[in-house]
Amino acid sequence: DQQVKQNSPSLSVQEGRISILNCDYTNSMFDYFLWYKKYPAEGPTFLISISSIKDKNEDGRFTVFLNKSAKHLSLHIVPSQPGDSAVYFCAASGTGGSYIPTFGRGTSLIVHP
Amino acid sequence: DGGITQSPKYLFRKEGQNVTLSCEQNLNHDAMYWYRQDPGQGLRLIYYSQIVNDFQKGDIAEGYSVSREKKESFPLTVTSAQKNPTAFYLCASSISGQGSQPQHFGDGTRLSIL
Repeated sequence: DQQVKQNSPSLSVQEGRISILNCDYTNSMFDYFLWYKKYPAEGPTFLISISSIKDKNEDGRFTVFLNKSAKHLSLHIVPSQPGDSAVYFCAASGTGGSYIPTFGRGTSLIVHP
Repeated sequence: DGGITQSPKYLFRKEGQNVTLSCEQNLNHDAMYWYRQDPGQGLRLIYYSQIVNDFQKGDIAEGYSVSREKKESFPLTVTSAQKNPTAFYLCASSISGQGSQPQHFGDGTRLSIL
């Protein structure tokens, strides 16, 4: 039973346009969310995070939005660049015993020049 | 230059053989983790350790064993009891076991069966 779902296995966008990657979760105990980026044959690297007390966090071209009532978060990349082509993992964790992050299956983003 | 080093990058296992994957970190992190990644799958937690000489099973611990004798080292042994060991294995660490702390990952070990 997946507690963190990334329902789009892949996403293709044009350079300069916006990329929107989505993530849904089911466990209401989750209160911290992280996005990781992974290139082939490398380990994931931390990208951006958001606490449940916020609904938006921004870092340069990357913005994460959190909708707690819908148990949904999204990562926006604006403008998208070819170097952004990678697999993006959403992870969720919480207090009360569920502090080990649970990862989604990832979304493969391809940004075309 | 701090980071996590996993070795070897590629590993081949014969039937009935145990193999050990190395993970070393010089970040002075308390918590360390082992994940398994299969094609089309997310990262599944095998074992984690929040402090030296203590570790906990994750979601898919069967057929695996770990030790945490030193803060900087968290080796994973894939035993012969693991019937489907072919996968990409990732080691990670974080400052503490708190979920809000980002994890730092190594570059992984790809294990295959001969």
